[in-house]
Amino acid sequence: DTGVSQDPRHKITKRGQNVTFRCDPISEHNRLYWYRQTLGQGPEFLTYFQNEAQLEKSRLLSDRFSAERPKGSFSTLEIQRTEQGDSAMYLCASSSRASGTDEQFFGPGTRLTVL
Amino acid sequence: SQQGEEDPQALSIQEGENATMNCSYKTSINNLQWYRQNSGRGLVHLILIRSNEREKHSGRLRVTLDTSKKSSSLLITASRAADTASYFCAPDSSGSARQLTFGSGTQLTVLP
Repeated sequence: DTGVSQDPRHKITKRGQNVTFRCDPISEHNRLYWYRQTLGQGPEFLTYFQNEAQLEKSRLLSDRFSAERPKGSFSTLEIQRTEQGDSAMYLCASSSRASGTDEQFFGPGTRLTVL
Repeated sequence: SQQGEEDPQALSIQEGENATMNCSYKTSINNLQWYRQNSGRGLVHLILIRSNEREKHSGRLRVTLDTSKKSSSLLITASRAADTASYFCAPDSSGSARQLTFGSGTQLTVLP
C-alpha cells in the first residue's frame, strides 16, 4: 500500500500521560500536514511541513503539542500532559506541488481517547 | 485560509436520486476543493475547481463555482448507498493549499 499510513490507529490514555503518533506520507510527497477532528466537525488544521521545515502552526497547537519531521520523511506528533479535551481523531495528510495539483492525500487517522 | 460552510448539514435521499450540497465562503479564492469522508476514515479528495472555471465533471460528480456569489455546489447523480458519507468543501485563498480549512460538512445518507 503506497498511501499515507498512521500509527497507532487507536490510542487510549489516562489524563496527564504523554502520547506520540506517527505518520508516514506518500514517499515522494514533500508536504505533510496534521489535522485534528472532533465528532461532527470537519478537520482543523494543526501544522504543516515542507520537507523537514515546519512552516505553519495553528494557534490550536498549544505548547503541549509538538510535531517533528526530522528527515523530511515521516513525522511525529507528540502531546504532553494529555487532557480530556485532546480526545479526537488526529489526521495526517501529504501532498506534492510537483504533481501539479493541490490535492492532499489523507491517512486513516489516529483516534485518541483521554480518560 | 478561510472556512467553507456546507449546506445542508444533513441530507437523506433514496438510491438513484441526485444529491446536491452547497458551499459558501467569504473572500476571493484561487480554487475550491471537495472531499469525502466515510465514517471513521480519512478524507478522500474528490475534485478541485479553479477560480476561472465555472463547472467541472468527474464521473457522477458535477461541481459548479459562482465566484460572484462566493458559492459552489456538488451534485452527485444516480446516488448509490456507497455514497453515504460526509462531504466537505475547502476554499483555498492562498493558491498553495498549504492550510485547508473545513466546515462541519454535509452528512449524506443514501437509502437502499
